[in-house]
Amino acid sequence: NAGVTQTPKFQVLKTGQSMTLQCAQDMNHEYMSWYRQDPGMGLRLIHYSVGAGITDQGEVPNGYNVSRSTTEDFPLRLLSAAPSQTSVYFCASSLTSGSGDEQYFGPGTRLTVT
Amino acid sequence: AQSVAQPEDQVNVAEGNPLTVKCTYSVSGNPYLFWYVQYPNRGLQFLLKYITGDNLVKGSYGFEAEFNKSQTSFHLKKPSALVSDSALYFCAVRDAGNDMRFGAGTRLTVKP
Repeated sequence: NAGVTQTPKFQVLKTGQSMTLQCAQDMNHEYMSWYRQDPGMGLRLIHYSVGAGITDQGEVPNGYNVSRSTTEDFPLRLLSAAPSQTSVYFCASSLTSGSGDEQYFGPGTRLTVT
Repeated sequence: AQSVAQPEDQVNVAEGNPLTVKCTYSVSGNPYLFWYVQYPNRGLQFLLKYITGDNLVKGSYGFEAEFNKSQTSFHLKKPSALVSDSALYFCAVRDAGNDMRFGAGTRLTVKP
């Protein structure tokens, strides 16, 4: 199993540009999520999905959209990039949406918005 | 909403000495508690979790954590630290919902 994969690894955007961060998992996990990691703030949940066709907002959803058309894929879209979205983005998945399930994380995407 | 506090930004220990990384939490119901480790330029790796049962939980790489309900704490411990344990450690908490909240992280440095 490849686990959780993310592309690209690095990205530089100009303010106002849009892009999609890709995330895929091959473990048949129900639950998938997106976090951003900023220095001194830990990880903050952006959006999550408990199954194909079902998504919901996390702690910091503004400026981001998600969709979940298949079990495997959970892309994160930045509609109009802002410098405040400069961060490291992690995708994660867990077997179920049960509270006791640990999450498996991808390697991250480092995004810089100028 | 649930929350996690890691009161120490940095912990320094000598190789071979015991280590403790502290975590306190706040939830409205029963807590589901997790520890993750992050090595440079990598994603987070799961170390251990507390769901229910014994207050002392054993995990990967010789780490363990003690759940203390009265003190709302879940400190990470290891009896003998290795230089290779140097990394960023995150405590996380989930209640009955889907929202997992992470602490700000503690950077552990183990010196030879």
